[in-house]
Amino acid sequence: QKEVEQDPGPLSVPEGAIVSLNCTYSNSAFQYFMWYRQYSRKGPELLMYTYSSGNKEDGRFTAQVDKSSKYISLFIRDSQPSDSATYLCAMSLDNYGQNFVFGPGTRLSVLP
Amino acid sequence: EAGVTQFPSHSVIEKGQTVTLRCDPISGHDNLYWYRRVMGKEIKFLLHFVKESKQDESGMPNNRFLAERTGGTYSTLKVQPAELEDSGVYFCASSPFLGGETQYFGPGTRLLVL
Repeated sequence: QKEVEQDPGPLSVPEGAIVSLNCTYSNSAFQYFMWYRQYSRKGPELLMYTYSSGNKEDGRFTAQVDKSSKYISLFIRDSQPSDSATYLCAMSLDNYGQNFVFGPGTRLSVLP
Repeated sequence: EAGVTQFPSHSVIEKGQTVTLRCDPISGHDNLYWYRRVMGKEIKFLLHFVKESKQDESGMPNNRFLAERTGGTYSTLKVQPAELEDSGVYFCASSPFLGGETQYFGPGTRLLVL
């Protein structure tokens, strides 16, 4: 079993839809959870960063962490074509970059 | 403010050749990380510099890989000799502090070993 699982997609949605992206993980000791957005031919860009359980909202983006289920989600409201990218989850025990475990990414296409 | 830059953006070499990748971090960032993503796999950590010192190189796959960060500024990652399985995208990231929330990634170098 992989440490972090993520549906690779591709996921296609119409403009304006609510998008739900998810990751599951096996290591219950993970405490730090991140979502990155990666456009084609670019590096990952940090979108959301959360510690432990709960929700965090930033504009159209909401990150949820359910540690009891070992499941994290990223919701995108009112999705736009500019949201088309690959979304990577990452998690860590201790917030040190060398210990990040990344998911394989979900490719999202928002169709105008 | 300029972001993390990497050079070259692409490299195609033959098995057995040597390739050197360069990363210029954001000015003032003491922490520099190398990651790579091989085809179909996840991004994996390679090593971490704090200034010019290697803090953690536990992710380096073998001794064909050599990273340096002379003077604590830019870093190079040399692969010698390159093997087919080294193909992938090599990312560099920098941060002013330890902590994932302050890490900025470069665009990556796409390496293809034929």
